[in-house]
Amino acid sequence: KAGVTQTPRYLIKTRGQQVTLSCSPISGHRSVSWYQQTPGQGLQFLFEYFSETQRNKGNFPGRFSGRQFSNSRSEMNVSTLELGDSALYLCASSLLRQPANTGELFFGEGSRLTVL
Amino acid sequence: DAKTTQPPSMDCAEGRAANLPCNHSTISGNEYVYWYRQIHSQGPQYIIHGLKNNETNEMASLIITEDRKSSTLILPHATLRDTAVYYCIVRVPIIQGAQKLVFGQGTRLTINP
Repeated sequence: KAGVTQTPRYLIKTRGQQVTLSCSPISGHRSVSWYQQTPGQGLQFLFEYFSETQRNKGNFPGRFSGRQFSNSRSEMNVSTLELGDSALYLCASSLLRQPANTGELFFGEGSRLTVL
Repeated sequence: DAKTTQPPSMDCAEGRAANLPCNHSTISGNEYVYWYRQIHSQGPQYIIHGLKNNETNEMASLIITEDRKSSTLILPHATLRDTAVYYCIVRVPIIQGAQKLVFGQGTRLTINP
């Protein structure tokens, strides 16, 4: 069973540009969430999508956005990039409708963004 | 979600048991304890979770105190590949639209040969 796939794995952008990152969840998983990881702030929740709808959002500016497609694949977009957006962006998928006492998120390898 | 406290770093000899503590004194009755780990440059990996009973799987054991205010993750025979940052997270069970995990700084576990 293929894991969570994120593309691209590495990218370099300059300030002011915008970037789109892609995430393909594990087959059958309908929930996708995104996290930002930086050395200073650690892992922080960005947003979560289920059935093409954003269900939860972290404390990030509106420059950060996302969407989910009917096949559960998700993209996140960061516009007007700033130096501080340099980070590892992680996508995680999970199978909802599972017993409520499980808490397993499956993470991808991440997309490492460098803003110059 | 309740706040957790973990030591920033720990060392363990290869082949020995690694015991990683976590304090969660404000945990509420319906919150579970979850453990994830992150090996360098990889995404976090789920290890185990529990409510109040001790739990064991192929990766680790989770011991939760009777008052549920602290827990210990045990890696019974640590290998070099267990070197990673380990995160203890407490939260309510996943329900639709509530996938958010709040990660602390975790414990950086180093397994020494």
